[in-house]
Amino acid sequence: KQEVTQIPAALSVPEGENLVLNCSFTDSAIYNLQWFRQDPGKGLTSLLLIQSSQREQTSGRLNASLDKSSGRSTLYIAASQPGDSATYLCAGGRYNTDKLIFGTGTRLQVFP
Amino acid sequence: GAVVSQHPSRVICKSGTSVKIECRSLDFQATTMFWYRQFPKQSLMLMATSNEGSKATYEQGVEKDKFLINHASLTLSTLTVTSAHPEDSSFYICSARTGHQPQHFGDGTRLSIL
Repeated sequence: KQEVTQIPAALSVPEGENLVLNCSFTDSAIYNLQWFRQDPGKGLTSLLLIQSSQREQTSGRLNASLDKSSGRSTLYIAASQPGDSATYLCAGGRYNTDKLIFGTGTRLQVFP
Repeated sequence: GAVVSQHPSRVICKSGTSVKIECRSLDFQATTMFWYRQFPKQSLMLMATSNEGSKATYEQGVEKDKFLINHASLTLSTLTVTSAHPEDSSFYICSARTGHQPQHFGDGTRLSIL
């Protein structure tokens, strides 16, 4: 049973488009949400962390929101570039544990 | 800051070999380290959590005698895959954190068992 799901699984767009990546979770114990980027064969780079008391975070062209009541988070990428091509993973942190629960990922390709 | 180094980045070895992977926090003391496994085109699955100086806590379905984890210092944890077989081939990623701060991830180790 997948507790954190991401839609779409894959996305291919021309550069310049604004993108929305979705993350949904069923576990009510998830209290914060983190977005990561993973390049092929590499580890994870943290992009944004939304704490339990926050609803959104912004960094440059990236904006992430969190709605715990509906179990959803959204990563918005403005003016996409070929360098944004990677897999994007969301991960939820659980109350009273050290664990991060990772989503299934969205593979993004931005072509020139 | 908050750099995590993982070594080696790639290992290719014969079936039956034991393989050790190191995870180091370079500029902070890691009270907790995590080991994940990632199969192709799948997400990261937590294998175990280790706190410095104590035994690792393994996730359900992960064999502790197969995947030996040692966290002997605040900057180093090792994962040893004992008697590795082709089904153990995967991408292994560690992460480290201090206290309840966010986890910082290594670059991963690609393990291929022939």
